[in-house]
Amino acid sequence: SQQGEEDPQALSIQEGENATMNCSYKTSINNLQWYRQNSGRGLVHLILIRSNEREKHSGRLRVTLDTSKKSSSLLITASRAADTASYFCATGSGGDDKIIFGKGTRLHILP
Amino acid sequence: NAGVTQTPKFRVLKTGQSMTLLCAQDMNHEYMYWYRQDPGMGLRLIHYSVGEGTTAKGEVPDGYNVSRLKKQNFLLGLESAAPSQTSVYFCASSYDSNRQPQHFGDGTRLSIL
Repeated sequence: SQQGEEDPQALSIQEGENATMNCSYKTSINNLQWYRQNSGRGLVHLILIRSNEREKHSGRLRVTLDTSKKSSSLLITASRAADTASYFCATGSGGDDKIIFGKGTRLHILP
Repeated sequence: NAGVTQTPKFRVLKTGQSMTLLCAQDMNHEYMYWYRQDPGMGLRLIHYSVGEGTTAKGEVPDGYNVSRLKKQNFLLGLESAAPSQTSVYFCASSYDSNRQPQHFGDGTRLSIL
């Protein structure tokens, strides 16, 4: 069963704009991860944020985590054509050896 | 450094045939995972392994078997393929359970006729 649910399911923006994707989950977590998947390829890890962290940055990426609302957001600033991909959140819970993926957000950057 | 390598990349099977998908990683990771990805469903965990000689069931294990005889390899078997198993299969590995990122292969696209 899916733990994380991304919102929106699909997003189209102009190149140079910022893109924001959200992830909501249901149970308590130890950490939350974001992955990118380009068409026809495997997933690539972007950022891992732990439950005691509120925000993390990596280049043009900013991830926030609000454990009280059981939600996370991924912000991509100054989007580029190469950012066109699907983005997935995945949650890890204590004592578990696996992570559970959401269904993803399809991001399309328009030239 | 190849990371995670999956073979084959594509395969077409007839209903009832069997096959094995191979996943190999060169990062000395303990944890390995098999997922399937279907349109609109995200990734669903089939089986996983927490070390050489171990396997465990994931969310959708029925119709699949796995083996981890060597630390670097994780095999996924379909004993009697069914059309419902048409999917893209991804293998991933991780250094430390859910506390570290997973590294993915590029997938095996499997069609069952």
